Amino acid sequence: KAGVTQTPRYLIKTRGQQVTLSCSPISGHRSVSWYQQTPGQGLQFLFEYFSETQRNKGNFPGRFSGRQFSNSRSEMNVSTLELGDSALYLCASSLGGGRAWGEQFFGPGTRLTVL
Amino acid sequence: AQTVTQSQPEMSVQEAETVTLSCTYDTSESDYYLFWYKQPPSRQMILVIRQEAYKQQNATENRFSVNFQKAAKSFSLKISDSQLGDAAMYFCAYRSEDYGGSQGNLIFGKGTKLSVKP
Repeated sequence: KAGVTQTPRYLIKTRGQQVTLSCSPISGHRSVSWYQQTPGQGLQFLFEYFSETQRNKGNFPGRFSGRQFSNSRSEMNVSTLELGDSALYLCASSLGGGRAWGEQFFGPGTRLTVL
Repeated sequence: AQTVTQSQPEMSVQEAETVTLSCTYDTSESDYYLFWYKQPPSRQMILVIRQEAYKQQNATENRFSVNFQKAAKSFSLKISDSQLGDAAMYFCAYRSEDYGGSQGNLIFGKGTKLSVKP
């Protein structure tokens, strides 16, 4: 099976712009979660989507949003970019059913740089 | 709110030796899961080992084992017979039980950078 893929891998934007990142989960996985990784704050949970519905949300401002399509692919959008949004954005997929035991499989990440 | 603390920002081990990475967490919940993830340089994060809180028996995966002390809220990772390929950032993570099946919302520690000396 192909792993979790994220596009693009690298992105450079300027302050005030918006950006859309894409994540394709492992085939058959219905849950997609997004995380932000920075040197200062570490790994922080953004949100989780399951069957096109947001099931869980972290403590991020409304500029961060996401969605999931019927094929489980997910996108996250960041509007009005700030310098502090520079980070590695990781996507993780899992089967999504059953209890919270399920393993998350991570993608390689999208490195976003905001100038 | 739950928190995860890894008190060792960096650790070093000689190849073939054993090393233990520390992790403590804070929670008022009784049902939860604990994980150790490995993130090699410029490579994808992978799951090393996981532990269900209700299980007293410590999890083991080949050379990797944990020492889970629920009362002390401690979850350390022991790597035996360390190999060069074990060099990576190691993250301890916590997830609340969710009977709705949510498998997101991992709460991570800040990580421990492990170096392996040949």
